[in-house]
Amino acid sequence: GAVVSQHPSWVICKSGTSVKIECRSLDFQATTMFWYRQFPKQSLMLMATSNEGSKATYEQGVEKDKFLINHASLTLSTLTVTSAHPEDSSFYICSSQVPSSYNSPLHFGNGTRLTVT
Amino acid sequence: GESVGLHLPTLSVQEGDNSIINCAYSNSASDYFIWYKQESGKGPQFIIDIRSNMDKRQGQRVTVLLNKTVKHLSLQIAATQPGDSAVYFCAGDSGGGADGLTFGKGTHLIIQP
Repeated sequence: GAVVSQHPSWVICKSGTSVKIECRSLDFQATTMFWYRQFPKQSLMLMATSNEGSKATYEQGVEKDKFLINHASLTLSTLTVTSAHPEDSSFYICSSQVPSSYNSPLHFGNGTRLTVT
Repeated sequence: GESVGLHLPTLSVQEGDNSIINCAYSNSASDYFIWYKQESGKGPQFIIDIRSNMDKRQGQRVTVLLNKTVKHLSLQIAATQPGDSAVYFCAGDSGGGADGLTFGKGTHLIIQP
């Protein structure tokens, strides 16, 4: 089945520093990847859609200059949290869909737990 | 956009009993629904999906029912096991997957021994 690998699984950083999270599709080519954020005991909220070779599209209220997304290849998308602050501490999850039929499920990575101190 | 919500935040069932988790949605244009299971500290795991041209779909120990008239879907888990303890999310899609999924709030399923 489709596998999405995310790295790192957790990271602790100091306030003001930047953190990069990688998302890879291991056995399929992902033209589109989706980045979600999840706060404790809450649902997943879509942050942005990453498109290979073009600019990402961001959901309303998500700062594109703070959450930099790069999707330079068909198997790798990265999310960089720039100048991180404690309120950015969250669980970040990427996902992608095997490009086949009209409707197919998203496959998720195992998430990255970001803690900003 | 899609709005998908769950009726109950927590559901406690006895091991061996059947579990039913409910979900309501508001966007009548949604044509594809998915149930995910999320264990603590992990990403969501696909369980089962259903397209809007169906009203029932069965998997291994799981059944999803879709009632388009009242915009409601449910996940039934038969003979609940300890390993079923997790948060369950329903998600809806009206854009063929191009726009990502909209997730409901989630139901925490607790299995009592």
